[in-house]
Amino acid sequence: NAGVTQTPKFRVLKTGQSMTLLCAQDMNHEYMYWYRQDPGMGLRLIHYSVGEGTTAKGEVPDGYNVSRLKKQNFLLGLESAAPSQTSVYFCASSYSWGSAYNEQFFGPGTRLTVL
Amino acid sequence: AQKVTQAQTEISVVEKEDVTLDCVYETRDTTYYLFWYKQPPSGELVFLIRRNSFDEQNEISGRYSWNFQKSTSSFNFTITASQVVDSAVYFCALSERGGAQKLVFGQGTRLTINP
Repeated sequence: NAGVTQTPKFRVLKTGQSMTLLCAQDMNHEYMYWYRQDPGMGLRLIHYSVGEGTTAKGEVPDGYNVSRLKKQNFLLGLESAAPSQTSVYFCASSYSWGSAYNEQFFGPGTRLTVL
Repeated sequence: AQKVTQAQTEISVVEKEDVTLDCVYETRDTTYYLFWYKQPPSGELVFLIRRNSFDEQNEISGRYSWNFQKSTSSFNFTITASQVVDSAVYFCALSERGGAQKLVFGQGTRLTINP
């Protein structure tokens, strides 16, 4: 049981380049999320998904796109990277059942630098 | 709009001291959940506790304890007899009712325990 995994762990891009971050979970979770972590700002939600084929915008969605073609995978795309997107990106997933809000399980993070 | 404030950016104490991390939240909803996560130097986020808005009982888990007070909209975290391994960034987070279990994080408190 690997939990939540993220690929790649590190990446350096030049301004204007594109890339895709891959998140995979093997816990059969319905909900998946992408956050970015910047110094002094905590984690901020970029996009999220409540199930296969569905996505929605979070707090800071500009400059990013996502897709959830398979339940276990959640992809985050940067079409034209900008220095302001230099950050650590975390993927998370959680159960959707039950009346209690369930904790989110986080991946190890991807450190992205845009030059 | 929901908001979480962790006013203490950094705390440094000597091992075996007790330390309290403050968390103040804002929400218009009467049903919500509060969380604490730990981010050790290795970078991953580790779930510590979840508390719903209807349960104001304090919680104790070993050296960790949490004090939830709806009257002051606070959910503070205390570490008793701190240890070097407690050094980490600690995040408080809030999730409102409404689906998707999205989290709003505070800015985080960097705790350093000195030997």
